[in-house]
Amino acid sequence: GAGVSQSPSNKVTEKGKDVELRCDPISGHTALYWYRQSLGQGLEFLIYFQGNSAPDKSGLPSDRFSAERTGGSVSTLTIQRTQQEDSAVYLCASSIDRDSREQFFGPGTRLTVL
Amino acid sequence: GESVGLHLPTLSVQEGDNSIINCAYSNSASDYFIWYKQESGKGPQFIIDIRSNMDKRQGQRVTVLLNKTVKHLSLQIAATQPGDSAVYFCAENSNFGNEKLTFGTGTRLTIIP
Repeated sequence: GAGVSQSPSNKVTEKGKDVELRCDPISGHTALYWYRQSLGQGLEFLIYFQGNSAPDKSGLPSDRFSAERTGGSVSTLTIQRTQQEDSAVYLCASSIDRDSREQFFGPGTRLTVL
Repeated sequence: GESVGLHLPTLSVQEGDNSIINCAYSNSASDYFIWYKQESGKGPQFIIDIRSNMDKRQGQRVTVLLNKTVKHLSLQIAATQPGDSAVYFCAENSNFGNEKLTFGTGTRLTIIP
């Protein structure tokens, strides 16, 4: 596809379980971002990957959150020991490179922690 | 700290009329601003952006105005259509090279047929 894709589109899990969310950026885009959007709120930055540079993890809310980007393409956001406050839509975006400011967003993964 | 806020959480406009969505920011170092449109169940979609060395930028039916003196940003949509109904977010960035965006909470625009 031509756009950013994310999977799953919806995820329901029980409190305490681990979850993995996947993002496939636009082919050739070197910059990748994860954001979190709580109900009725704006987007909250979580983590940023640019090429082979060390990721900017400054937005991760706790050490239960981690993310990887393998081969400079696909990224996985992992939340360990999920809590109810983790319930939100998790959005991934990519941009062509660090000098391009236009970010293209995926449809998001809606995470519900029961 | 940094914040990007919106004056109005909801806005209803008659189809065909013009709409204006406002946004305030607090970071004087912000040098790039962007408007996104988000329809229900979808990710944000780019509308228009503006750099701090500009006061106005126009696109197709949309205009963004930037007033750096009062740290205010607005999005004008001309001749609104039902498809314009969505939540609109402003966002800012102040660190060229790490383009993480700081988003406002959004304004829900409803176009009345």
